[in-house]
Amino acid sequence: GESVGLHLPTLSVQEGDNSIINCAYSNSASDYFIWYKQESGKGPQFIIDIRSNMDKRQGQRVTVLLNKTVKHLSLQIAATQPGDSAVYFCAGPEGADKLIFGTGTRLQVFP
Amino acid sequence: DTGVSQDPRHKITKRGQNVTFRCDPISEHNRLYWYRQTLGQGPEFLTYFQNEAQLEKSRLLSDRFSAERPKGSFSTLEIQRTEQGDSAMYLCASSLEAVGNYGYTFGSGTRLTVV
Repeated sequence: GESVGLHLPTLSVQEGDNSIINCAYSNSASDYFIWYKQESGKGPQFIIDIRSNMDKRQGQRVTVLLNKTVKHLSLQIAATQPGDSAVYFCAGPEGADKLIFGTGTRLQVFP
Repeated sequence: DTGVSQDPRHKITKRGQNVTFRCDPISEHNRLYWYRQTLGQGPEFLTYFQNEAQLEKSRLLSDRFSAERPKGSFSTLEIQRTEQGDSAMYLCASSLEAVGNYGYTFGSGTRLTVV
């Protein structure tokens, strides 16, 4: 089955800097990945997704990069703001029916 | 319809008691998922429904756990004879079945504390 994991449990960045959160996956057949943001006391919230036929996808202040050769994806947040402070999860499909989540990276933004 | 609703938000119970949680999905979503999340971990899949049919159960779902979705709308998750290890956040999510669609919408969860 699929497993996804993150390299760093905590990432601290200064407000205004760019943030990069990394994730590795195990199943080379995985064709879809999602990044979720979870604020304290709330459920995970969809940020951006990417399919395996793409290397890059951009949203508002966020970019996801997918490197299928090394089975790695990253989430880049431009001009990080205090409101970006949260735990970020990457998730990938297992089978046709469900998502498997990584352990998460806590992003801390300091002034 | 403002999203996925879960009730209660918090539940404190004594070990050995039974608890039941409720999830109301987005009305047009036919898939409903239950996940469990412990501190510092990502959500772990427990079970999911397509309409009223429970299609898959994780090995994490011991025989003390039961989930239902009787009319294909709201769902309940019951834990019998709770143990301290059951303390976690229980998350519900819903989605609309479509090929390649994994667009879950999560609720805010029910935080269970077993004392």
